[in-house]
Amino acid sequence: GEDVEQSLFLSVREGDSSVINCTYTDSSSTYLYWYKQEPGAGLQLLTYIFSNMDMKQDQRLTVLLNKKDKHLSLRIADTQTGDSAIYFCAEILYSSASKIIFGSGTRLSIRP
Amino acid sequence: GAGVSQSPSNKVTEKGKDVELRCDPISGHTALYWYRQSLGQGLEFLIYFQGNSAPDKSGLPSDRFSAERTGGSVSTLTIQRTQQEDSAVYLCASSLGVAGGALSYEQYFGPGTRLTVT
Repeated sequence: GEDVEQSLFLSVREGDSSVINCTYTDSSSTYLYWYKQEPGAGLQLLTYIFSNMDMKQDQRLTVLLNKKDKHLSLRIADTQTGDSAIYFCAEILYSSASKIIFGSGTRLSIRP
Repeated sequence: GAGVSQSPSNKVTEKGKDVELRCDPISGHTALYWYRQSLGQGLEFLIYFQGNSAPDKSGLPSDRFSAERTGGSVSTLTIQRTQQEDSAVYLCASSLGVAGGALSYEQYFGPGTRLTVT
């Protein structure tokens, strides 16, 4: 199937690390993406990883990729209230004319 | 530069009426997607246009929904005989859509059309 799966909710304490997980389906995907949707706003690209990488770090963000298990994660260090949003992972389905498939999104809430 | 625009931004319609939602993608983008997002929910894929290929309509929930893309640019999503369960934000996104690295597949989203069916 074409399902990209994520847990729906995550709640973390301000200052802690957040880890958002995703499983995808297409082992031939060359790029995997994380998008962020802030309240009342559209989706924007947050980061991406090339499939020949295991890890990518960008300031407070760390993306980990386990190709064997088709598992992608996004770690946000020192989570702040401004990180409250819905986070979507996405893969490219080359078997379907390079269609982008999004997960259902994980709503991250921050508690003081 | 100009991003993806959608119109109208809000649409309230009576059950049973037809509605048309418009999307203007970024110039030069060959890929165009329509999604639906219900309140606080994830993205529901509706339809995907890629260049001159036949569109991928696998996400359309019923035959009341249809979409077209004229001249490889502007797209219109039409919902016939609207039902209350059609109420949602309808999002359009476009991307370069040609092989050329990760960012050629980056999707740029419009602000959405909020559809309310009363």
